Amino acid sequence: EVQLVESGGGLVQPGRSLRLSCTASGFTFGDYAMSWVRQAPGKGLEWVGFIRSKAYGGTTEYAASVKGRFTISRDDSKSIAYLQMNSLKTEDTAVYYCTTCGGDCYSFVYFQHWGQGTLVTVSS
Amino acid sequence: SYELTQPPSVSVSPGQTARITCSGDALPKQYAYWYQQKPGQAPVLVIYKDSERPSGIPERFSGSSSGTTVTLTISGVQAEDEADYYCQSADSSGTYMEHVVFGGGTKLTVL
Repeated sequence: EVQLVESGGGLVQPGRSLRLSCTASGFTFGDYAMSWVRQAPGKGLEWVGFIRSKAYGGTTEYAASVKGRFTISRDDSKSIAYLQMNSLKTEDTAVYYCTTCGGDCYSFVYFQHWGQGTLVTVSS
Repeated sequence: SYELTQPPSVSVSPGQTARITCSGDALPKQYAYWYQQKPGQAPVLVIYKDSERPSGIPERFSGSSSGTTVTLTISGVQAEDEADYYCQSADSSGTYMEHVVFGGGTKLTVL
C-alpha cells in the first residue's frame, strides 16, 4: 500500500524558512516523480511544483507564485522528498500535500496518491 | 499557463445524475483529471486521462471530453458523493509538461 507522510509544518514568521519532508513507502520511490500541492484555508487546490525521477534527470518545475523561493529535492536512498520554503509570505499559509505524479510528470501530469497534508502557518 | 473554469456549485437529488463541467482553452490538446475531496480529507483521484477510472473508483463516476470542455458525470448519485470536485490539467511549451493548473472547484450537494 502506498503511504505518503508529510512532516515539518508549523508556525513560522514572514520572511523565515521552513523545510517540509515527505516520507514514502509501499512503492519504488526512485521510479516516481513527486509533487507538492497546497490548499489555503477554505480555498481550492494550488500546484506548487514537482521533481521528476532520476530517469528524467531529476528536473524540477514550479508554479510562478513560488519560483525562486521554494526548492524541491529528493533523497531516493531514504525515500524522502523535500520542500524547502524560503522568504515565506503570509499568503503561503496552507495545508501542503505530497503526491506521487502519474505520467512521470513528463509526458503528462496528474496526482495519483496523496498524503494527509501538513499545515504551514505564516504569521507574525 | 492557462485557466480552468468550473461552476462553483451543483445540486442533485439522490439517484439522479450529476454533471460537473470544466472549461479551458488547452483542453483539446491536454488531458484532464478529476479529484474528489471530502471535508478534512486529502483529495482522491477519480478520473484520469479524460475518461479513465482508477481501480477502486465506483463505475458511477465517468469522464468525457468535447472541445474545450470536459465533464465529470456521476450516475445514480449517493449521499456519500457529496464533496468538492476539482479538475486539473497541465501545459507545455514543448516536449514535456511544465505547468499544472487546477480548476476552482465545484461543491456537489446531494439534496
